[in-house]
Amino acid sequence: DQQVKQNSPSLSVQEGRISILNCDYTNSMFDYFLWYKKYPAEGPTFLISISSIKDKNEDGRFTVFLNKSAKHLSLHIVPSQPGDSAVYFCAVRSLIQGAQKLVFGQGTRLTINP
Amino acid sequence: DTGVSQNPRHKITKRGQNVTFRCDPISEHNRLYWYRQTLGQGPEFLTYFQNEAQLEKSRLLSDRFSAERPKGSFSTLEIQRTEQGDSAMYLCASSLVSFSTDTQYFGPGTRLTVL
Repeated sequence: DQQVKQNSPSLSVQEGRISILNCDYTNSMFDYFLWYKKYPAEGPTFLISISSIKDKNEDGRFTVFLNKSAKHLSLHIVPSQPGDSAVYFCAVRSLIQGAQKLVFGQGTRLTINP
Repeated sequence: DTGVSQNPRHKITKRGQNVTFRCDPISEHNRLYWYRQTLGQGPEFLTYFQNEAQLEKSRLLSDRFSAERPKGSFSTLEIQRTEQGDSAMYLCASSLVSFSTDTQYFGPGTRLTVL
């Protein structure tokens, strides 16, 4: 069973516009949420995280929104830049259960067009 | 560079052979994780260590897989009698446990191809 879903395998956005990547999860015990970016031939790079006590966290051009009632997570990138082209993974964790492992979505390939 | 390093970066082997991968975590990180990623999927958890102790293993980690972290520093992941289904990217991550949640930092991975 897929506990974390990223329903868009790919997304294409024009440079300078907003990129919105989405993620849905099924288990209400998940209480810590992260986004990673992955370039080809590299490991995932941590971008931004949010705990379940918040509904928004911002870091420069990156903002993560959490809707706990909908079990939905999104990452906004604004303005989008060509260097943002990569595969983006959302990942979740259950701190309250003491779980150390991350559960990842399938990823969304973001392409920023000049 | 003081990030997570993994060796080798690529490994091609024949079915039935044994392979061993090495991961060197970020210095002073006390947790080390192994994940596996197949094409079109996100990384899947295999196992993790806190210092020398292996504290959790996934059902994905069959009897042919073994991981060690003998001195609480580097770790090795061995796959015995490799099968074609073992072909994947094997990722290592490390983190430092603190009072708040710890962020996992990933290495570049070892790509295994079983012929």
